[in-house]
Amino acid sequence: NAGVMQNPRHLVRRRGQEARLRCSPMKGHSHVYWYRQLPEEGLKFMVYLQKENIIDESGMPKERFSAEFPKEGPSILRIQQVVRGDSAAYFCASSPTTVDNEQFFGPGTRLTVL
Amino acid sequence: QKEVEQNSGPLSVPEGAIASLNCTYSDRGSQSFFWYRQYSGKSPELIMSIYSNGDKEDGRFTAQLNKASQYVSLLIRDSQPSDSATYLCAATNAGGTSYGKLTFGQGTILTVHP
Repeated sequence: NAGVMQNPRHLVRRRGQEARLRCSPMKGHSHVYWYRQLPEEGLKFMVYLQKENIIDESGMPKERFSAEFPKEGPSILRIQQVVRGDSAAYFCASSPTTVDNEQFFGPGTRLTVL
Repeated sequence: QKEVEQNSGPLSVPEGAIASLNCTYSDRGSQSFFWYRQYSGKSPELIMSIYSNGDKEDGRFTAQLNKASQYVSLLIRDSQPSDSATYLCAATNAGGTSYGKLTFGQGTILTVHP
């Protein structure tokens, strides 16, 4: 059973470009979560999605950031007009249910903004 | 006040000793608690979950939860150099749409020296 998959693993963008981060949850998992880890800081929740629905986006910056989890295909975290402060590791996690809420993390995408 | 607090360490223990990691939380609505291990440059790996007061053992790991004191701990017996990592404590609230959100502490750096 493959784990959570994320791609790309490393992404370099220049200021003002767009970044698209992809996440495929573990097989049988319908709950997807995105977290961000800034250098020297802890993991911060960004957004929680189920298929075609955003359940909780309380951790998402108000501008430039969006997320989706379409009926078919991976979940996408999109950052428009990136700035240097967006440089971070972005982790996706998935869970099969929210009863126990054990979340399993993917390898992450390291975003560097030049 | 941070919602989940950990001593950042570093905590240094000799090989074969017991490592004790502690975590406190401020939200009394928190229901589920998790310990993750994160090696440098890698993603968090779930090692223990605990939901009710008392102890839960899994191999060399024991998680302890005291909801009255809002305290969670992780004991690692017979510590090995391979246990050297950052240990993250996380909590989630069972209420409303926030039940999907893991709130992490800053992490405790553990070093096990031979």
